[in-house]
Amino acid sequence: AQKVTQAQTEISVVEKEDVTLDCVYETRDTTYYLFWYKQPPSGELVFLIRRNSFDEQNEISGRYSWNFQKSTSSFNFTITASQVVDSAVYFCALIGYGQNFVFGPGTRLSVLP
Amino acid sequence: ETGVTQTPRHLVMGMTNKKSLKCEQHLGHNAMYWYKQSAKKPLELMFVYSLEERVENNSVPSRFSPECPNSSHLFLHLHTLQPEDSALYLCASSQGGASTDTQYFGPGTRLTVL
Repeated sequence: AQKVTQAQTEISVVEKEDVTLDCVYETRDTTYYLFWYKQPPSGELVFLIRRNSFDEQNEISGRYSWNFQKSTSSFNFTITASQVVDSAVYFCALIGYGQNFVFGPGTRLSVLP
Repeated sequence: ETGVTQTPRHLVMGMTNKKSLKCEQHLGHNAMYWYKQSAKKPLELMFVYSLEERVENNSVPSRFSPECPNSSHLFLHLHTLQPEDSALYLCASSQGGASTDTQYFGPGTRLTVL
């Protein structure tokens, strides 16, 4: 069975602070993909990143960075110098071949001015 | 219009009403999905269509009836719903029918069943 855990239900930070959102996954597949989505108050899930299980290189995109560690089955997401517009619910998701998307419960991030 | 659009954005209906949710994708994708997002629950996959054929029905009650007339449009027909069906219904699409393709989501329809 596949499972995604986001242990942090809610996080509050002050603008310009760095924040890391944790994601731990479980799967028996050797080939799988991991995703992060952002859900702002408008409701739409916005795709942020997709990584496959064979690519453990960390990735940076502007203020966003992702740390994929297969050894600990984690795919953590860091926002550097957070901004109010980063306030949203963030979902980590996992999918393997022939499987359906499994989403974590989400982490609600509030960035205060 | 770009991306994935959904109408209506908000819907209030009684338990005896019949209504439909509409999803349209402008991405040239071949697969479309319906998800249900309830408060304090993970997203639940309801239906998957690939090349207009239903390939997944995730044990959804028959009061939800999907329809995919072409690869760009997806409907969810609703009838005799229950108050616990109140939720955000999200539509998504992906390039192919492969389950690992990135899914792009619409803004959702916020449904309230009275």
